[in-house]
Amino acid sequence: GAGVSQSPSNKVTEKGKDVELRCDPISGHTALYWYRQSLGQGLEFLIYFQGNSAPDKSGLPSDRFSAERTGGSVSTLTIQRTQQEDSAVYLCASSLDSYTGELFFGEGSRLTVL
Amino acid sequence: AQSVTQLGSHVSVSEGALVLLRCNYSSSVPPYLFWYVQYPNQGLQLLLKYTSAATLVKGINGFEAEFKKSETSFHLTKPSAHMSDAAEYFCAVRGNAGGTSYGKLTFGQGTILTVHP
Repeated sequence: GAGVSQSPSNKVTEKGKDVELRCDPISGHTALYWYRQSLGQGLEFLIYFQGNSAPDKSGLPSDRFSAERTGGSVSTLTIQRTQQEDSAVYLCASSLDSYTGELFFGEGSRLTVL
Repeated sequence: AQSVTQLGSHVSVSEGALVLLRCNYSSSVPPYLFWYVQYPNQGLQLLLKYTSAATLVKGINGFEAEFKKSETSFHLTKPSAHMSDAAEYFCAVRGNAGGTSYGKLTFGQGTILTVHP
């Protein structure tokens, strides 16, 4: 596609439920990033992939969070047993490679946990 | 670890006035530094980047930033603000070469720029 596509754009869930957020990067981009944006918190790094492997997953807040990338393309961020503090906008970005620092961002998935 | 600090969460200027958004970095090696912009209801986009080729970097929409090693700064400026510059601006730094964090981009807290008529 023309840009990074994220789905769903909005997700409202109940505390304790699992959610999956999907990211479809720009075709040909080998690096993929997940960030979390909360009001007043800036952009919090979660994880990045180079190909299908994740060199740095240090930003995942807890073991309730996991991410995978298959076929060097689509990525899924899964949050298990959601908590209210997980409410945020989850941003995905892709890059030609992980060295340029030139990230192309999607418009995000807004997660609200009731 | 690499980090950036943006001074001032909100900056307000009049249309036509100088824009100055401050960013200081912490890095043990020469860093790669970036400014990103997020317009209302849009995704972040790259404004400009510093990769050690030249200390004064020009970006889109008339913005530029100067890398000053002695001050560990990478401030963003624009000579004359326009209403359309109202947005949130983020400074970012890339991880050090050779480590697992090499490709990781760490962002600052962001500065919201308001432009008054």
